[in-house]
Amino acid sequence: EVQLVESGGGLVQPGGSLRLSCAASGFTFSNYWMHWVRQAPGEGLVWVSRISTDGRSTSFADSVQGRFAISRDNSQNTLFLQMNSLRAEDTAVYYCARVYDFWTGYYDYWGQGALVTVSS
Amino acid sequence: DIQMTQSPSSLSASVGDRVTITCRASQNIRNYLNWYQQKPGRAPKVLISAASTLQSGVPSRFSGSGSGTDFILAISSLQVDDFATYYCHQTYSAPLTFGGGTKVEIK
Repeated sequence: EVQLVESGGGLVQPGGSLRLSCAASGFTFSNYWMHWVRQAPGEGLVWVSRISTDGRSTSFADSVQGRFAISRDNSQNTLFLQMNSLRAEDTAVYYCARVYDFWTGYYDYWGQGALVTVSS
Repeated sequence: DIQMTQSPSSLSASVGDRVTITCRASQNIRNYLNWYQQKPGRAPKVLISAASTLQSGVPSRFSGSGSGTDFILAISSLQVDDFATYYCHQTYSAPLTFGGGTKVEIK
């Protein structure tokens, strides 16, 4: 059974840092692109970042470019999102999602989400 | 960036009604359009990929159509389990973008 389990969320002050993890199981993690998508309270879905199968290719939404970093450890089947210089507007549930295949690009599995709250 | 505009943003319908949700892209995205359903407190679930491909396990009352800039998600006979928020999602070009969502509520 495919599972994605996020961890590392919590309350952080503006300007602080947090690292999210997404533990994958039930599939060959190294074969799939992975993305992070976030959802502010009561709002819609917003793409945040993506990473290629080998970790060499990454991209970010403009809103987090330069502040967030994405990485993966294929030996540990884990995806990461390092979030620095956090702002109130980064408050959201963060989901990791598996991309079914590169060509269609849709997310076939999602984690349960990790809540990040940026507040003083 | 490609803007995805969904309409309506919310609707009220009764069990058994036919419901349609529209998604318009700001430029041609061919058929790189997916639909997700999200219930409160839950992660989204894919319903339709590539504009019209029904995902395994998704009831046949759901269907998707369209290409280019205009897309439709249809629910032929609304069931209690279908009351949720629906999002379209383009994967034609980065940054990937979602529509604003359509909340389907019980009339």
